[in-house]
Amino acid sequence: EPEVTQTPSHQVTQMGQEVILRCVPISNHLYFYWYRQILGQKVEFLVSFYNNEISEKSEIFDDQFSVERPDGSNFTLKIRSTKLEDSAMYFCASRPGGRQETQYFGPGTRLLVL
Amino acid sequence: QKEVEQDPGPLSVPEGAIVSLNCTYSNSAFQYFMWYRQYSRKGPELLMYTYSSGNKEDGRFTAQVDKSSKYISLFIRDSQPSDSATYLCAKGNEKLTFGTGTRLTIIP
Repeated sequence: EPEVTQTPSHQVTQMGQEVILRCVPISNHLYFYWYRQILGQKVEFLVSFYNNEISEKSEIFDDQFSVERPDGSNFTLKIRSTKLEDSAMYFCASRPGGRQETQYFGPGTRLLVL
Repeated sequence: QKEVEQDPGPLSVPEGAIVSLNCTYSNSAFQYFMWYRQYSRKGPELLMYTYSSGNKEDGRFTAQVDKSSKYISLFIRDSQPSDSATYLCAKGNEKLTFGTGTRLTIIP
């Protein structure tokens, strides 16, 4: 069964450094998402992406964040200058489109900012 | 008022019992309702989704939506130790809003 994959599984970085989290959505899916989950807290929506554009973003998704689909398979989340509070699990999700609204999540990247 | 409210538990039940997990929500705009299962330090795994009131069954799992009372439920029949996980309810269309998750343990 097709799955969303994410790399790396773990990332440790110093505060102020840039990180890029990578995702390969399910191949025929058209809509892509990033969510995050701070330890012990809810899964929170960050951004949705369709047709090479951001379609919606949350208040969390400020100018330090950006997303890109550099080729036909990858979907990336970049954090330009990481802060301690960016430490979280980051999940990529995708969905096919049409009337099927269900989102399928990847296994996540655990980001630790020191 | 929080958009999705869910009792965080923890909830422990003996193997074979029927489990009932519940959420309430605000904002009645047309949208989908989902249940995800999340094992420790893993991504949410889609269990069931629905957009209409009533019941939807898939094997041992039944999702129930009551739009008049803004209540969504997940029932697990013949619970197994492998069902031990955190169960997340969510609603939304483009952007999913999650509950806090209920941590469930099935005791062999």
